[in-house]
Amino acid sequence: GQQLNQSPQSMFIQEGEDVSMNCTSSSIFNTWLWYKQDPGEGPVLLIALYKAGELTSNGRLTAQFGITRKDSFLNISASIPSDVGIYFCAGQLAGGTSYGKLTFGQGTILTVHP
Amino acid sequence: ETGVTQTPRHLVMGMTNKKSLKCEQHLGHNAMYWYKQSAKKPLELMFVYSLEERVENNSVPSRFSPECPNSSHLFLHLHTLQPEDSALYLCASSQVQSRSNQPQHFGDGTRLSIL
Repeated sequence: GQQLNQSPQSMFIQEGEDVSMNCTSSSIFNTWLWYKQDPGEGPVLLIALYKAGELTSNGRLTAQFGITRKDSFLNISASIPSDVGIYFCAGQLAGGTSYGKLTFGQGTILTVHP
Repeated sequence: ETGVTQTPRHLVMGMTNKKSLKCEQHLGHNAMYWYKQSAKKPLELMFVYSLEERVENNSVPSRFSPECPNSSHLFLHLHTLQPEDSALYLCASSQVQSRSNQPQHFGDGTRLSIL
């Protein structure tokens, strides 16, 4: 089956630093999604990408859908303590027969030191 | 997010007990999903329901039994579980369309511990 490789697995950074994480796939996806999960809560959608090459921002977050449709990255600028959490990438295929199924990366655990 | 609500938030049960997890979505979506999240593993898709019909069962043991009585509610019935079934169980919903699918929205999960 499809697999996503997400890296890095964890990051320890100082407040104010920029962060970059990425996902690569062995096969093509039509949609790339980035979620954040805080302790004791479910994943929350941060950014959705629908077209190859698309670059989308959400506040201090920027994500891109790779040209090959097999990769995506997420950047966080000027990190703050509340950025702490686990970040997941997810790939999705289009079409009704896929029923919106997601394939998830392993997650990147982000720790921000004040 | 309050669009997808899961109850209970925490559940401790013995291996011989029977319990059910409940999920309710208030987003008007037509598809619902159950995931298992174990430590240091990617989210594992368990079941997919589209228009109240089960369309996928990812080789999940029969001790997990899903039920989708309508498009807003999803249950996961549990019986004779094993210690390795201890995990966070997440419910999600989305709007599935013929040409494109919308992102899934997740509940906050049920933390299940099997004694």
